[in-house]
Amino acid sequence: DADVTQTPRNRITKTGKRIMLECSQTKGHDRMYWYRQDPGLGLQLIYYSFDVKDINKGEISDGYSVSRQAQAKFSLSLESAIPNQTALYFCATSVSGSGTDTQYFGPGTRLTVL
Amino acid sequence: SQKIEQNSEALNIQEGKTATLTCNYTNYSPAYLQWYRQDPGRGPVFLLLIRENEKEKRKERLKVTFDTTLKQSLFHITASQPADSATYLCALDGPQAGTALIFGKGTTLSVSS
Repeated sequence: DADVTQTPRNRITKTGKRIMLECSQTKGHDRMYWYRQDPGLGLQLIYYSFDVKDINKGEISDGYSVSRQAQAKFSLSLESAIPNQTALYFCATSVSGSGTDTQYFGPGTRLTVL
Repeated sequence: SQKIEQNSEALNIQEGKTATLTCNYTNYSPAYLQWYRQDPGRGPVFLLLIRENEKEKRKERLKVTFDTTLKQSLFHITASQPADSATYLCALDGPQAGTALIFGKGTTLSVSS
């Protein structure tokens, strides 16, 4: 079984809808991240959480919110989806104390907003 | 502000040659640098890490160098194979405690047989 899972893997929605992307991990890591990736733009950090009570905005947090329900779960919400949020979304985890913050990525969620 | 650049968006080489990818950074001094591989539609996968006090790191056909004077890392794949075709990302530790890794945009390597 995969260590970092994302649901759904693909989602098509309409403008204005609220949607939630979920991430779960069995690695026991305390840090979790949400990224979006658009062709040619690389990975852009949306939000990150260094523990259950710690939530931080990344470089492109506008239009998104997150919830860290447990150490193993980190969900990303689009309150009112718009077409330019169409992208590939990745969740990642890492462990504090390693001194390196090496990240382990999920398989991604392909989101299309019509 | 901190900036990380991977000089080439795309690199095309022939099988058996050595691929060399470049990662440059400005405006701070990272404690370490990481390289990841990403296949189309999949999440990045960690390959190698090199610390600021290390000049070179090797893993099988991969070699990474880290020149803190030039603010540059080179990523080499020797005896390249078509299966090495992918996008390679470099990442640096965040500029201050409590910040996340900073990723470059990646270089897409194509190895032709």
